[in-house]
Amino acid sequence: NAGVMQNPRHLVRRRGQEARLRCSPMKGHSHVYWYRQLPEEGLKFMVYLQKENIIDESGMPKERFSAEFPKEGPSILRIQQVVRGDSAAYFCASSPSRASGSVETQYFGPGTRLLVL
Amino acid sequence: QKEVEQDPGPLSVPEGAIVSLNCTYSNSAFQYFMWYRQYSRKGPELLMYTYSSGNKEDGRFTAQVDKSSKYISLFIRDSQPSDSATYLCAMKIAGANNLFFGTGTRLTVIP
Repeated sequence: NAGVMQNPRHLVRRRGQEARLRCSPMKGHSHVYWYRQLPEEGLKFMVYLQKENIIDESGMPKERFSAEFPKEGPSILRIQQVVRGDSAAYFCASSPSRASGSVETQYFGPGTRLLVL
Repeated sequence: QKEVEQDPGPLSVPEGAIVSLNCTYSNSAFQYFMWYRQYSRKGPELLMYTYSSGNKEDGRFTAQVDKSSKYISLFIRDSQPSDSATYLCAMKIAGANNLFFGTGTRLTVIP
């Protein structure tokens, strides 16, 4: 399966704990995006990364949230000291590099559903 | 005002009906328009992708973009129960990094 992979699919945390969400882009894709979907709301952009670089984090909350996309391994979205309002579905998307294919299309993974108790 | 408006529905139609789904937007800089299908508890799946104005057809699906009216549509012909899902419109400014999504329209096709 060459699609975008995310794990875990479901994550339960208590208030104050840390949540780590992982995303492996489609094969050949070097651009990763994270979105958050709250109940009854559309997906909201959080951050855009390329390998070892954060390109655009304009949608990321200023505190407690961070993201990385290391040279080796998956992209990680990290939420420290989670609160109940962080409960949502977090989706990762990837797109091809500008050198090949269209960078304008984004392909989504199955999401991680975070529940904060 | 939201940048992308979409009627959340729900919309129920009988099998075989033609379905029309729509979104309006306020930002005239949007140039890329997409429709995603999202089944319950799954990730969005890209259905159609259109650049600028015009029509695009793919099987039973037709996407239309009217930039003068800031209005996009997705038509589904001969709808099937397997089309039951939430349909999300999404838009992008050329060169920008993120997509702007509508809230989604929940569609049920009744056998």
